[in-house]
Amino acid sequence: NAGVTQTPKFQVLKTGQSMTLQCAQDMNHEYMSWYRQDPGMGLRLIHYSVGAGITDQGEVPNGYNVSRSTTEDFPLRLLSAAPSQTSVYFCASSRAGGSSNQPQHFGDGTRLSIL
Amino acid sequence: KQEVTQIPAALSVPEGENLVLNCSFTDSAIYNLQWFRQDPGKGLTSLLLIQSSQREQTSGRLNASLDKSSGRSTLYIAASQPGDSATYLCAVRAGNTGKLIFGQGTTLQVKP
Repeated sequence: NAGVTQTPKFQVLKTGQSMTLQCAQDMNHEYMSWYRQDPGMGLRLIHYSVGAGITDQGEVPNGYNVSRSTTEDFPLRLLSAAPSQTSVYFCASSRAGGSSNQPQHFGDGTRLSIL
Repeated sequence: KQEVTQIPAALSVPEGENLVLNCSFTDSAIYNLQWFRQDPGKGLTSLLLIQSSQREQTSGRLNASLDKSSGRSTLYIAASQPGDSATYLCAVRAGNTGKLIFGQGTTLQVKP
């Protein structure tokens, strides 16, 4: 079971560069989301999606774009990287439905440094 | 706005102790609450999930309780082991959208 797969695991960028963080899940989950984890700030929601073609902003969306063209993939795009975006990025997925017993599954993270 | 707080931020105990990690939230209208474990430099591993209608969940040496009316959850770890050393995160799911709101975590060190 692959679960939630994030690529790359590590990346170093220069200020102003753009890049896409990839996230794929093979569990046919409807819900997918992106978080960033910073020391002293915990995990904060960047963007989320409740299904293909539907995305919405989380707590800290500025500087990031997302799209959801398929159920499996939810890429996160940094348009013009800034040092403040140095962080660890986690992708998560879960099933939808009326039951509240659906846990979130997380990828292993992408460690991003912006110089 | 939902806020989640975990106290203490760090905890160091000798091996074999039973311990309790605390999580509090400001809005009792939660969908569920999930406890995670995170090892240094690693991702999040789900430990327990408590639905809003439940009072507790158990898995091995772990027991998580939920009191929605008081906005509190506790994670009880029995007979702690050095391998339990990690950061423990609690997160509430506010609605049926997959959005989680995290506490800042409790970093646990279990000394041999």
